[in-house]
Amino acid sequence: DGGITQSPKYLFRKEGQNVTLSCEQNLNHDAMYWYRQDPGQGLRLIYYSQIVNDFQKGDIAEGYSVSREKKESFPLTVTSAQKNPTAFYLCASSTSGDFTEAFFGQGTRLTVV
Amino acid sequence: DQQVKQNSPSLSVQEGRISILNCDYTNSMFDYFLWYKKYPAEGPTFLISISSIKDKNEDGRFTVFLNKSAKHLSLHIVPSQPGDSAVYFCAATSGTYKYIFGTGTRLKVLA
Repeated sequence: DGGITQSPKYLFRKEGQNVTLSCEQNLNHDAMYWYRQDPGQGLRLIYYSQIVNDFQKGDIAEGYSVSREKKESFPLTVTSAQKNPTAFYLCASSTSGDFTEAFFGQGTRLTVV
Repeated sequence: DQQVKQNSPSLSVQEGRISILNCDYTNSMFDYFLWYKKYPAEGPTFLISISSIKDKNEDGRFTVFLNKSAKHLSLHIVPSQPGDSAVYFCAATSGTYKYIFGTGTRLKVLA
């Protein structure tokens, strides 16, 4: 079955610790994305990558880092510099070209205590 | 600055009636618009889309209308069913691989 897998579904971390969220896709998509969802604020773009070894900051990149060493994988690290890391994180992917939709994973709920 | 806006946080509709969800955008460079449906603690699922060269796209019970001059799009669901109860997000892109999402509208279909 083709799709996007985010793991784990729930993650707890202590304040001040870095944490890495996994995102893997087997859809052969070129582009991948990380979004954050907070109540009442919709989905906000953190980082996106159009091709391997290249990525761009989205609207709220501060306190986050990513890598894109393989086409299938786009891990997101939430660093201790992120002031409000508790949120629901969504990974997505899409094909290249115009007029295509993004497909989402099931999300990771990160809680920092 | 919110480039994609959904001004109604919630909407309640009787089963069998029409649901109309609205979305406004400010960036005239957007050329592709999408609607997603989302349940709590799950990822959004793609519903329907429309390119800027069209003003209407239909898929079963779902129809999206685009009014470029007003920078407005709407999603019509007819007839509404209880299983349609979810949060609906509109999104827009200008071919730059950035999908910009609205804040969502929670639809409740009453049986």
